[in-house]
Formats: sequence, structure tokens, C-alpha cells
Amino acid sequence: DTAVSQTPKYLVTQMGNDKSIKCEQNLGHDTMYWYKQDSKKFLKIMFSYNNKELIINETVPNRFSPKSPDKAHLNLHINSLELGDSAVYFCASSQKGFRGTQYFGPGTRLLVL
Amino acid sequence: SQQGEEDPQALSIQEGENATMNCSYKTSINNLQWYRQNSGRGLVHLILIRSNEREKHSGRLRVTLDTSKKSSSLLITASRAADTASYFCATDQGGNEKLTFGTGTRLTIIP
Repeated sequence: DTAVSQTPKYLVTQMGNDKSIKCEQNLGHDTMYWYKQDSKKFLKIMFSYNNKELIINETVPNRFSPKSPDKAHLNLHINSLELGDSAVYFCASSQKGFRGTQYFGPGTRLLVL
Repeated sequence: SQQGEEDPQALSIQEGENATMNCSYKTSINNLQWYRQNSGRGLVHLILIRSNEREKHSGRLRVTLDTSKKSSSLLITASRAADTASYFCATDQGGNEKLTFGTGTRLTIIP
């Protein structure tokens, strides 16, 4: 069974479009995250949620809007996609906040043309 | 600014040799974690070491932490081809509700 799953795995789209990435975890964790990994493999946190409440919004453009319908899901909607949004987006979860082990999804590779 | 920086950026060794990679950070931490990322995959947690610990072992992995030098090292003994991956350290800084990941070391094991 997949612990943290993301869909889609690949996303190729035109500049200006709106797209969503979905994330689900079946670990019963309270905290979920979105990370962005750029072409140089640098991994940076974007958002974290704890029990559906936003904890961190790491100076991400407001074109990015996370939504947590319940504590097992954290989706990411991106409006007006730009070339610089091309990256790999990872969802992760942890049981006891950010200090504990984080479990990562397989990533969504976004390419904006 | 980047909290954790791994050194070296890339490392190639023969299978069976030991691999050592280092992580330096800038501010005080509560704990430090190491993660592995295989090509095209998500990160996988390897080991967590707390600020009051100096050394920790897990199988072929040995992690040390020197808080006075703000550095940690990850040693993989008797390397295998399957150890080929990127390795990241991640730190939590007191007061910041997040992990900050380093720049990663790309390890290649040559069969």
C-alpha cells in the first residue's frame, strides 16, 4: 500500500493554464507538506498543514493555493502557470509535526511550456 | 539562505568501499535528519540524530553530529550499487516550524 500518493505523476501544460496536484496519505498523520525541488535538486518547503490548518506559507506566490479537505489530503492548485513553476513537487506527511520523520510521495513532475 | 550544505556535491566510489558525506549548518538545531533520494523518486528517511547525541548507527549507516562545529557526517560502509542516490541532510531550527534541507550529495557506486 502506498503511504503518500500524488497524482498526476507527470504534468505538461502551457503557460497561463491552471492545474491541480492531489496528495493523499494513509498513515494517519496530522501534518502534511508541499515541497518544490528545482532542477538543481534544491528542496524547499512551500506549505505545511496540521489537522487541516495552515501552519507555514513560505513566501509562495498567491497563484499557489493549497487546500486540505481533511487531514489525509492536501491538494495544490496553481493558477496562471509560469515557466519558472517547472519543477518537481513533493507532498510529504509526518506524525508529530515537522521535527519527526517525514514521508514523501513520489513527486509530480511539472513542465510548463 | 541555505541552512544545510552537503560536501562533497558528488562522490563516486567502487562498490565495497565506504562513503562519507558531510553536512554543515549555520544555526542551533534540535535534531538533524538524513534522507536518501533515488533518481526520479521521493525522499526516504534514513536516520535522525538529536542535538544531545553524538553518534547513531542503523545497519550500514553511521551518523555523527558535532554541534560545536555545526556539522554532521553520514558514513555508509561496504557500499552497494543500490546505494547510488542523492543524500540530503535536513535540520530543524528552534522556533521555525519546518525542516530545512541541504543541497545534497550525489553518490555513485561503481560496480
